[in-house]
Amino acid sequence: DIQMTQSPASLSASLGETVTIECRASEDIYNGLAWYQQKPGKSPQLLIYNANSLHTGVPSRFSGSGSGTQYSLKINSLQSEDVASYFCQQYYNWTFGGGTKLELK
Amino acid sequence: EVQLQQSGAELVKPGASVKLSCKTSGYTFSNYYMSWLKQMPGQNIEWIGNIYGGNGGTGYNQKFKGKATLTVDKSSSTAYMDLSSLTSEDSAVYFCARTNNYYFDYWGQGVMVTVSS
Repeated sequence: DIQMTQSPASLSASLGETVTIECRASEDIYNGLAWYQQKPGKSPQLLIYNANSLHTGVPSRFSGSGSGTQYSLKINSLQSEDVASYFCQQYYNWTFGGGTKLELK
Repeated sequence: EVQLQQSGAELVKPGASVKLSCKTSGYTFSNYYMSWLKQMPGQNIEWIGNIYGGNGGTGYNQKFKGKATLTVDKSSSTAYMDLSSLTSEDSAVYFCARTNNYYFDYWGQGVMVTVSS
C-alpha cells in the first residue's frame, strides 16, 4: 500500500505569512492527491484536488503543487480563519497523511 | 446545494451493532459513490469503504471487512453503514462523504459513536 508522510505535524505562523505543508508518497501517485481543511469539531472540507485544482468556493490564497512523490499545499497571506488541521489524501487506496495542525503565532 | 445530513450521536454497548445514516440532497444520488470514513479522537482519517448510489456496488478497506456493511436506499437518497460487534476501538467519529472520482468533495457533519458498558 502507498504510505503518505505529511510534514510538519504542527506549525505556528503569523497573520499575513505564507505557509507551506508537504506530503510525500512512498511511490509515484501521478498527481492523485487532494488536500482538506478541518476545523475543530467540524468535518474536513475539500480544498484542492488532482494536486493543483482549487475546489469551488475555496479562496485563491490556497494553492497546491507537486508531482511524482512530493506535493505541497501553500497558504498565502495567512488569515485567522485558516487556523485548522490540514490533511493530504492520495487516490490509490484512499489513505490520508497524518495531518498538520496550524496555529497562530 | 449539496448536503449530507448524518444521524445523531450513538452510545452503544460492547458487542452490539449500530446503523448510521447519511441523507443526501442537492445532487443526483445514483450518479455518485458515497464513502464512509473513521476518525478517532486526535487521530488520522481512515477510509472504510464506498458504495455506488446507482446499483449498491461496494468496495471496502480490507481492515473494515466484516466490521462495516454499506447499503443505500435510492428512493430516499440515503446511505447507511452498519457497524457490528462493537468494541472500544470502534469509538470514533464517522463521516459520510460524496466521492467524486477519487476524492471527497462534500462531507456530512459526522457522528460520534461511543462504545461503553
